[in-house]
Amino acid sequence: DAKTTQPPSMDCAEGRAANLPCNHSTISGNEYVYWYRQIHSQGPQYIIHGLKNNETNEMASLIITEDRKSSTLILPHATLRDTAVYYCIVRTGGSQGNLIFGKGTKLSVKP
Amino acid sequence: KAGVTQTPRYLIKTRGQQVTLSCSPISGHRSVSWYQQTPGQGLQFLFEYFSETQRNKGNFPGRFSGRQFSNSRSEMNVSTLELGDSALYLCASSTQGIVPYEQYFGPGTRLTVT
Repeated sequence: DAKTTQPPSMDCAEGRAANLPCNHSTISGNEYVYWYRQIHSQGPQYIIHGLKNNETNEMASLIITEDRKSSTLILPHATLRDTAVYYCIVRTGGSQGNLIFGKGTKLSVKP
Repeated sequence: KAGVTQTPRYLIKTRGQQVTLSCSPISGHRSVSWYQQTPGQGLQFLFEYFSETQRNKGNFPGRFSGRQFSNSRSEMNVSTLELGDSALYLCASSTQGIVPYEQYFGPGTRLTVT
């Protein structure tokens, strides 16, 4: 079973920041938080991952709480092309191990 | 770099037949994982191959099998197809290592079993 809890859906206005929450209260010390997204009928796309510190890349920012029990993915200026299902995944950083996908959050960016 | 490629993109088979799907990973990637996506069960892990060896397996029946070749290309096979095998089959490749690494997914093969 997935180790994360996400809201099933969210709306965001185009041009505004989209903040997608994720709860992972049972996360272990060696587990990373990964975010992927899947645009309709395409393969999932890697967005970002983090362990303890906040992370930022060209796509998004990841904010992890100090106790690591929750995190937020931030898309700073959402566009219509960001409409997708966003998956928050917790897994170890080791070379073995698969991604366990939950149901994710369906983000709808509206004009 | 070219991305992960999967062939064929669409496939229609009949119950009882078998099917082979192919995945070419990103150049330099030695790990290939396979996932099944259905509306009811979502994305589920099938198996992972690394250096021609299966090193991780999901909870699927033995009808689902795979292999990896020396050039890291991978195939998965489903024998005795059932209607419930209709799904999007996704392949993902990644690099080796103990540091956290991301998986890059292909576009998938849409299998329809009639």
